[in-house]
Amino acid sequence: KQEVTQIPAALSVPEGENLVLNCSFTDSAIYNLQWFRQDPGKGLTSLLLIQSSQREQTSGRLNASLDKSSGRSTLYIAASQPGDSATYLCAVAFYGNNRLAFGKGNQVVVIP
Amino acid sequence: SAVISQKPSRDICQRGTSLTIQCQVDSQVTMMFWYRQQPGQSLTLIATANQGSEATYESGFVIDKFPISRPNLTFSTLTVSNMSPEDSSIYLCSVSLGLKVGGETQYFGPGTRLLVL
Repeated sequence: KQEVTQIPAALSVPEGENLVLNCSFTDSAIYNLQWFRQDPGKGLTSLLLIQSSQREQTSGRLNASLDKSSGRSTLYIAASQPGDSATYLCAVAFYGNNRLAFGKGNQVVVIP
Repeated sequence: SAVISQKPSRDICQRGTSLTIQCQVDSQVTMMFWYRQQPGQSLTLIATANQGSEATYESGFVIDKFPISRPNLTFSTLTVSNMSPEDSSIYLCSVSLGLKVGGETQYFGPGTRLLVL
């Protein structure tokens, strides 16, 4: 079964620390992996998309890595700010499935 | 990129009634998706709505409960029929600019927050 897991479900960090969020998936045959941000009661905002042929993507303070062989992706947020407080969702497009499979998310609180 | 709007943004409904949610995209797209996010849970795909064909429903979702229209390449509706409190969720519309999932970034609307009493 093609599944996506995110651990921990929730974490709090003091402002200025680097955030490390983990996503694991059960099948290495993927098209791509996408990280989203969701604010309470809101829709999803795409942060980074990593194609299966790529190892990482960067956007500002955000860096996402992809290791298909081990079924893992990591989202790094440098020098966290209170505005980074949100839920971060990992989604994988698996081969043979014309849909995204989502993890349950990492709920992040950055403490001022 | 794609900008997606949804109406209504939120609603409170009585059990047994139906609600139709509208999704409008600022560009023509082939693939549109409807998701449900129950409280504390991640997103679950309800159905894929491609223009010119019947919607394809995921396991556990049926057309009688969640009828979908896709009259053109920029618009879709999802109806939640005969609602019960278990239908209280956020409903999200999403589009893929590619011809298949995984080709490009998937974009999401702001969601419709539904509470059924």
